[in-house]
Amino acid sequence: KAGVTQTPRYLIKTRGQQVTLSCSPISGHRSVSWYQQTPGQGLQFLFEYFSETQRNKGNFPGRFSGRQFSNSRSEMNVSTLELGDSALYLCASSLMPTGTVSGNTIYFGEGSWLTVV
Amino acid sequence: QKEVEQNSGPLSVPEGAIASLNCTYSDRGSQSFFWYRQYSGKSPELIMSIYSNGDKEDGRFTAQLNKASQYVSLLIRDSQPSDSATYLCAALGGYNKLIFGAGTRLAVHP
Repeated sequence: KAGVTQTPRYLIKTRGQQVTLSCSPISGHRSVSWYQQTPGQGLQFLFEYFSETQRNKGNFPGRFSGRQFSNSRSEMNVSTLELGDSALYLCASSLMPTGTVSGNTIYFGEGSWLTVV
Repeated sequence: QKEVEQNSGPLSVPEGAIASLNCTYSDRGSQSFFWYRQYSGKSPELIMSIYSNGDKEDGRFTAQLNKASQYVSLLIRDSQPSDSATYLCAALGGYNKLIFGAGTRLAVHP
């Protein structure tokens, strides 16, 4: 069974540009969450989607947005990139939304490494 | 104050010893707790989850939860060099958000 697939794995962008990251969850999983990981802040929750609806959102500026498609694939977009957006962006999938069912395991993808120069 | 706190380490233990990793959380409403292992350059991998006070054992791993003290720990018995990684503690807080600690780096030396 394929795991969570994220593309692209590595990318370099210039300040002010925008970027779109893609995530394909495990087959059958309908919940997709996005996290940002940096050495200084650790793993921080961005947002969660379930059945094409945003269920939850972390404390990030509006430059960070996402969406989910009918096939559960998800994309996140960061506009007007800043140097501080350089990070590993992790996508995670699960059968059900976070916190709704006991034992609902969250599986992470390998991540997309974003460098902003 | 961070919502989930961990000692960043590194925690260095000899091969075969018990590694003890600790985590405290601030949200008394948190009911579910998780330990993830993350190798350098890789994604986090769930190794233990715990929901009730007490101990939960799975192979060489034992998770301990004390909700009164808001404390979670992970014990790794018979530590192996392959256990060297960063261990992330996470708590399912209010609004169903998974809150991660900064992680503890464990180094197991032969």
